[in-house]
Amino acid sequence: AQSVSQHNHHVILSEAASLELGCNYSYGGTVNLFWYVQYPGQHLQLLLKYFSGDPLVKGIKGFEAEFIKSKFSFNLRKPSVQWSDTAEYFCAVILFSGGYNKLIFGAGTRLAVHP
Amino acid sequence: GAVVSQHPSRVICKSGTSVKIECRSLDFQATTMFWYRQFPKKSLMLMATSNEGSKATYEQGVEKDKFLINHASLTLSTLTVTSAHPEDSSFYICSAGTGTSGNRETQYFGPGTRLLVL
Repeated sequence: AQSVSQHNHHVILSEAASLELGCNYSYGGTVNLFWYVQYPGQHLQLLLKYFSGDPLVKGIKGFEAEFIKSKFSFNLRKPSVQWSDTAEYFCAVILFSGGYNKLIFGAGTRLAVHP
Repeated sequence: GAVVSQHPSRVICKSGTSVKIECRSLDFQATTMFWYRQFPKKSLMLMATSNEGSKATYEQGVEKDKFLINHASLTLSTLTVTSAHPEDSSFYICSAGTGTSGNRETQYFGPGTRLLVL
């Protein structure tokens, strides 16, 4: 079955540290990948997405992700985190099945950034 | 753009009553809307997919008669939790799809509805 794995459940960083959140998926077909962020008390927001083309995708708020097909990975990165990046981050892959799209989410990574 | 609203944001009800949650796409038409349930410290679990004008498609293990979904228009879907019980207490989130063909659809999420059944 298709699945998405996020390796780190909790990450604690200091401000200005670099961030990399791992995401691996298991799906043999064409994949479209997403990273969503959920700030405390807020709804899920789209950070970035990959459909095709340049495997290095830039999103909002200085985030980027790299799709590495051979590794089935779509890791999220940010060179220098801020306190305001404290949130939960979800990787997701879209599965087109039965005539509709279905987002499969990873378990999420809770990021805490300390000043 | 791509704003999705949900109403109500919080609801407390007595066991045995029914609760309706609305999901609206405010600035785009959503052929497909999705309903998720999020358990504490867990990821989102897809409950069902609703298409405007047709019956919803439920995920395995989700009771159709318990969670009634209606997608009356291209901007409105409703989830009704019928005869709610304490175990139905959860955070319910909807999303609306951009309707792009194939698997290139982007989903935009509502703010969620916290349901507490006493």
